[in-house]
Amino acid sequence: NAGVTQTPKFRILKIGQSMTLQCTQDMNHNYMYWYRQDPGMGLKLIYYSVGAGITDKGEVPNGYNVSRSTTEDFPLRLELAAPSQTSVYFCASSYGENTEAFFGQGTRLTVV
Amino acid sequence: GQNIDQPTEMTATEGAIVQINCTYQTSGFNGLFWYQQHAGEAPTFLSYNVLDGLEEKGRFSSFLSRSKGYSYLLLKELQMKDSASYLCADLDSNYQLIWGAGTKLIIKP
Repeated sequence: NAGVTQTPKFRILKIGQSMTLQCTQDMNHNYMYWYRQDPGMGLKLIYYSVGAGITDKGEVPNGYNVSRSTTEDFPLRLELAAPSQTSVYFCASSYGENTEAFFGQGTRLTVV
Repeated sequence: GQNIDQPTEMTATEGAIVQINCTYQTSGFNGLFWYQQHAGEAPTFLSYNVLDGLEEKGRFSSFLSRSKGYSYLLLKELQMKDSASYLCADLDSNYQLIWGAGTKLIIKP
C-alpha cells in the first residue's frame, strides 16, 4: 500500500519558471490537500478538494493552481515561480474532513 | 481569531514524562488533532479529540478542554526516537485545519 506519493522530492526553480508537483493516493480518499510549511510556521493550506472535479482555495492560494480530474490525483501547479514560494510542500489525503490525514513525503522547493 | 499557540521548544530526559500544551482561539470547533513530525519527514497522525477528557493510546495520551480552548499531549517513558516536532491542529467551523507552528521536543539521555 503506497499511501500518498508525491514527486519530486527536491527542485530548484528560477524566478518565472513553472512546474507541477505531482500527488497521487491509492486509498480512495475523497479529501486531498496541498500545504506549504515554512520554518517556524504552521502548515498553511494552499488548496483542497473534497472529491473529483471539486477544488477550493485554502488560506494561501495566490500563485498556485490545482486540478482534480480523478479521485487519485491532485497536482499542484506553480505558474510563475517567485522567491516567496521557496518552501516545503506537502500533499495529504483523508477519508473525511475530521479523520486522520496521510501525508506525502514532501517536496523541498527553492526558487532562485 | 484563529490562533494556535504551543511552546516553540521543550527539553526532557529519556525515560521521563513530558506534557506539551496547546491553546486555540478559533471561532467554531470541530476537534483537535496532534501530529508528530520528525526532522525532514512528513507529519504522522497521533490523536484526535472532539470531546472533553483524556484519551490514552499507549505511551501517548491527549487531553481536551473545550471550555478552556486547551489541549495537551502527554508522552510517557520517553525514548530517544520521540525527539521530533509535535504539531497541534484545530479543525475549525469550516472543517479546515488550523495548524500551530509545532513544539520541537529534544530528548536527552
